[in-house]
Amino acid sequence: IQMTQSPSTLSASLGDRVTISCRASQSIDGWLAWYQQKPGKAPKLLIDKASTLQSGVPLRFSGSGFGTEFTLTISSLQPDDFATYYCQQYNSYLEMSFGGGTKVEIK
Amino acid sequence: QVQLVESGGGVVQPGRSLRLSCTGSGFTFRAYALHWVRQAPGKGLEWVALISYDGNSEYYADSVNGRFTISRDNSKNTLYLQVNSLRPEDTAVYYCARVGGATYHHGMDVWGQGTTVTVSS
Repeated sequence: IQMTQSPSTLSASLGDRVTISCRASQSIDGWLAWYQQKPGKAPKLLIDKASTLQSGVPLRFSGSGFGTEFTLTISSLQPDDFATYYCQQYNSYLEMSFGGGTKVEIK
Repeated sequence: QVQLVESGGGVVQPGRSLRLSCTGSGFTFRAYALHWVRQAPGKGLEWVALISYDGNSEYYADSVNGRFTISRDNSKNTLYLQVNSLRPEDTAVYYCARVGGATYHHGMDVWGQGTTVTVSS
């Protein structure tokens, strides 16, 4: 299953509403996770099962979608949010896969 | 605290082998399935392999199938990745990560800090 994220790079300002898209090449129901990764660090799980916010993750993060189209939204961009974001499908445990990543930069 | 710590990375010549380890602490290691995920320099994340909580089931990415072997020793709280016939394109940071629930249908909720493998002559 191929996972396609867009955009690959996003320039935004503090306080902006940011939306990142992730498209699956076939239906994955709701079996999708979102991760945040900062340079030199391991990824951090933000959202599981497309829309379940992990404990401790700020409420400005939200996820939605089902089937092949998914979205990660940051309602008001904060300084700590500048990072790279990845989606990952786990519908098929025979071959799990990540999207190519979206780097959120300061405008 | 809940933690995964990788070790075993290094610089290795093409065609050689290496065994990576990942030791878990702060949780019931034997109750969780585990992944290996890698990241080449400046690139995105690539799923490598998955092993069931009891070690009886293994799944691999096509890019490593037949060359890499995932295994675990629950008595030692340790996950392994045997990497054989290494190629320059295997150069990456290798992370171990925990499946965040009782089935495979969960994201990866705990990650190690990574261990670096460099394949170069």
